[in-house]
Amino acid sequence: AQKVTQAQTEISVVEKEDVTLDCVYETRDTTYYLFWYKQPPSGELVFLIRRNSFDEQNEISGRYSWNFQKSTSSFNFTITASQVVDSAVYFCALSLRAGGTSYGKLTFGQGTILTVHP
Amino acid sequence: GAVVSQHPSRVICKSGTSVKIECRSLDFQATTMFWYRQFPKQSLMLMATSNEGSKATYEQGVEKDKFLINHASLTLSTLTVTSAHPEDSSFYICSAGGSTSGRFYEQFFGPGTRLTVL
Repeated sequence: AQKVTQAQTEISVVEKEDVTLDCVYETRDTTYYLFWYKQPPSGELVFLIRRNSFDEQNEISGRYSWNFQKSTSSFNFTITASQVVDSAVYFCALSLRAGGTSYGKLTFGQGTILTVHP
Repeated sequence: GAVVSQHPSRVICKSGTSVKIECRSLDFQATTMFWYRQFPKQSLMLMATSNEGSKATYEQGVEKDKFLINHASLTLSTLTVTSAHPEDSSFYICSAGGSTSGRFYEQFFGPGTRLTVL
């Protein structure tokens, strides 16, 4: 069975601080996909990034960056120079590659509530 | 592209009534749709997976007769909460996969439906 752990339940920072959200996953499969989603107060999930298990390259997108390390089964997310608009719940998730046209189920972590204070 | 809508966005009903929630893929054909439930300050829990034209597969602990899922077409899935009770109050989110681009690893999420049962 798959498992995703986000050990940080809540993080509070002041604007312009950098913040890293941790994500550790467990799976026995060698082919899998990792995701980060943002859920603002409106409730709608916003897709941030997808990584497959064969691509360990770190990625940077504006103020966001992701560090994928298979050796430690971690997929951490860093926001640089945080802003108030970054306040939201962030979820890390894992999906296995299913066969044929079937979709793998997403397993979500518990979520990290990020609050950025002005 | 890959837009998923849900209707209604918010519903309040009396205990004992049934409520139907629609999930539509607006610009792609969704061979698979997922239904999630999210309690306040908690993560998303998968309720069921439905493939177009076949019966839904429910997760352990989810009552099939309570949460009726129909996926009659490639663009529409419905979740009916039958004889709703206050404990069914939650945020229900659907996701769809099966984009014609063949991105079998990705789900596209709807904006969610907040159900309140009085």
